[in-house]
Formats: sequence, C-alpha cells, structure tokens
Amino acid sequence: EPEVTQTPSHQVTQMGQEVILRCVPISNHLYFYWYRQILGQKVEFLVSFYNNEISEKSEIFDDQFSVERPDGSNFTLKIRSTKLEDSAMYFCASSEYGTGGWYEQYFGPGTRLTVT
Amino acid sequence: DAKTTQPTSMDCAEGRAANLPCNHSTISGNEYVYWYRQIHSQGPQYIIHGLKNNETNEMASLIITEDRKSSTLILPHATLRDTAVYYCIVRELLLPSGNTGKLIFGQGTTLQVKP
Repeated sequence: EPEVTQTPSHQVTQMGQEVILRCVPISNHLYFYWYRQILGQKVEFLVSFYNNEISEKSEIFDDQFSVERPDGSNFTLKIRSTKLEDSAMYFCASSEYGTGGWYEQYFGPGTRLTVT
Repeated sequence: DAKTTQPTSMDCAEGRAANLPCNHSTISGNEYVYWYRQIHSQGPQYIIHGLKNNETNEMASLIITEDRKSSTLILPHATLRDTAVYYCIVRELLLPSGNTGKLIFGQGTTLQVKP
C-alpha cells in the first residue's frame, strides 16, 4: 500500500533556530497538506498546497512558516525562527481529486519537533 | 471549528462490536461524513466515508440516519489494536471555489478496547 513518509521522526532544536521538516507524498497525488498536533490537543490544519502554490492557510501559519515542493517528490515545511510553542507533532498528508470528488487523505507518521 | 459532536470516551470489550456515535446536525447537502482514527500519536488513518447510504468496507460500517444529522461508526469485532481516538469529520466532497480538501478535526472519541 502506498504511504507518505516523513523525516526526521524527531527533531530537537533551540529556540530561534530554523528547522525544515520533510515529507514525501504519495507519488501520483497532487494535493498536499501540513497539520500539527500539540501534545494532548487536537490535530490542527496548517496549510494546503496545490500546483506549486499555497491554496489555503490557517491563522497558525504565519510569516514564520513556509512550504515548498523543491523537486518532484519532496514537500517541506520550514519554520524560520522556532518558538517554544512550536513544539508539536507535525503531520504531512496528501490526496488526489477525481471526477467523484476528494479521495481520502493519507497521513505520514509525523515529525515530533521539540524546541528547547 | 469542527461541525461534529462526539462523546469524549467509550469502552468496548474485545470481540464485541464498538458503536461510535457522532452528531452533525448542521450538515449541508453536499457534505460527506468521514471517519478517521489516530492510534497513539501516529498519523490519522482513514476508515470510511459516506453521504446518505450506509457504507461498509473491510474496516468498518457507517450508518447514517435518514435526516443525515447523525451517524454511527461500527467496528464489528473490536480488537485491542482498535484502541485509538476516532474522529468524525464532515467535509465537502467536491471542489467548489475555496474548498481545498482540508480536514477539520475535533477532539474525537477515545475508544478503549478491553480484554
């Protein structure tokens, strides 16, 4: 079964540092997403991405965040200057869309980001 | 905000059916009901979705009331591996302007399957 992969599984960084979280979506999918989950809280939508541009972003996704599809396979989330409150699990997801509508979103295993 | 209401937690005996309810009284005609689950901080996993007819796949069954204001996810023979947080989500299936396919998660129902 196809799967979304994410690296690294765990990232520890100091406050103010830049981090890049990497994702490899399912190969024939064209719609990509990032979500985050702070420990003990619900999964929150961050951003959706299609055709090499952001199609929607949440209030959480401020100027410190950026996304990129640098090549045909990777999808990255960059946090420019990390804050303590950025500590969370970050999930990448991908989906396809057909004549019948949205297909299910496939989620990666997540990257646990710890900001110290 | 999530458009669904679910009980915070439920228990189920191993081998028995787990019936997880969800209220979505404000659902609109072009919105589908989706169910995902999250096992211990892993990535959410798709289970099933439906519009108005009952649906069944290898994982579960979905029963949607005739007025579509509520639904029930049924795991017919729950196992210990089904212990997870289950999320009921309503979502537009089609791609009108502004619909990017994002999922809006609520708090979900924590299902504990006990031996």
